[in-house]
Amino acid sequence: DIQMTQSPSTLSASVGDRVTITCRASQSISTWLAWYQQKPGKAPKVVIYEASSLENGVPSRFSGSGSGTEFTLTINSLQPDDFATYYCQQYNSDSWTFGQGTKVEIK
Amino acid sequence: EVELVESGGGLAQPGGSLRLSCAASGFPFSGYEMHWVRQAPGKGLEWISYINARGTDIKYADSVKGRFAISRDNAKSFLFLQMNSLRGDDTALYYCARESFHGLDYWGQGILVTVSS
Repeated sequence: DIQMTQSPSTLSASVGDRVTITCRASQSISTWLAWYQQKPGKAPKVVIYEASSLENGVPSRFSGSGSGTEFTLTINSLQPDDFATYYCQQYNSDSWTFGQGTKVEIK
Repeated sequence: EVELVESGGGLAQPGGSLRLSCAASGFPFSGYEMHWVRQAPGKGLEWISYINARGTDIKYADSVKGRFAISRDNAKSFLFLQMNSLRGDDTALYYCARESFHGLDYWGQGILVTVSS
């Protein structure tokens, strides 16, 4: 099975900061990667799909990049609504694997 | 509007069984692949099962293989998860989710399963 390693596990940042979260796959997944945002008590919501495509309705300060085994989620000018936990997920193989999650918290 | 609503959760004893249902509406259910994802209290997301649109291709995570069974009723727009031989580490919030080219683009609100004696 493909393993997804996400870092950091926690990220402390301030409003207006630029933050980057990294996800590494144990083998190549081309660009079959999505990023999800989850807030406490809520279901996850997709923000980026196919590694770099912005989901409808998601602010343009969110961006994704990467292919193969290395991927990043970047949030430019962090806003109060962005404090949440973010997960990467691969959907290339016969199993769909999530990363461990990155909690973006207020510094 | 797309809606997924899970039901059937609750308290089960170790070794017991539960059957989760997910009622889908607002989209042509028979045209979409579906998944179950769970989240243990305070933990991350864990994918557990997939079923294709026709119900002919099914996959499971190793953690539930041989104990859980996914199925669907396209005529009634329902997704199911039969959970047998439940263990304490199956305690989690269980989500059904729709797959599209955008990943898992719609999720239910989740249903809590607690396995305890």
